[in-house]
Amino acid sequence: EPEVTQTPSHQVTQMGQEVILRCVPISNHLYFYWYRQILGQKVEFLVSFYNNEISEKSEIFDDQFSVERPDGSNFTLKIRSTKLEDSAMYFCASARTEMNTEAFFGQGTRLTVV
Amino acid sequence: RKEVEQDPGPFNVPEGATVAFNCTYSNSASQSFFWYRQDCRKEPKLLMSVYSSGNEDGRFTAQLNRASQYISLLIRDSKLSDSATYLCVVKGNYGGSQGNLIFGKGTKLSVKP
Repeated sequence: EPEVTQTPSHQVTQMGQEVILRCVPISNHLYFYWYRQILGQKVEFLVSFYNNEISEKSEIFDDQFSVERPDGSNFTLKIRSTKLEDSAMYFCASARTEMNTEAFFGQGTRLTVV
Repeated sequence: RKEVEQDPGPFNVPEGATVAFNCTYSNSASQSFFWYRQDCRKEPKLLMSVYSSGNEDGRFTAQLNRASQYISLLIRDSKLSDSATYLCVVKGNYGGSQGNLIFGKGTKLSVKP
């Protein structure tokens, strides 16, 4: 069964450092998303990506964040100058179409900023 | 007002019990509705979509009331393996949104032997 894969599963970084979270979406999917979940809180939308550009982003997704699809298979989330409050589980998701289809989530990357 | 609101629980029930979860959403333009399940420190996984006519999948029944902006999930004959957090999720093309998922905080279910 096809799945969304994320690497690494856990990333520890020092405050102020840059991190890149990697995702390989399901191969025939066209819509890609990043969500995050701070421990004990709800899953929050960060950004959606379609046709090689951002289609929507939330208030959380400020200039500190960027996304890229560098090679047609990987989908990355870069966080510049990490802050303690960036510590969270980051989930990548992909969907074949935009509406009314299941979004498949990766197993997540746990980011810990120390 | 929160976009998607759920009773946080926890719901502690014995095996075999029937349990119901409720959810309300704030934006009447929401177009698609789902229940996801999330195990501790794992990713959300789709349990079922929710349709206006109501739908059933084995022991699980989902209902949607658009007029009341209310979604429900009923689990019959609960199993130990049903223990998880159940997330109410809406999706809608409104306010510039192109269909991202809006999650409730989830209701935790613990099924005891």
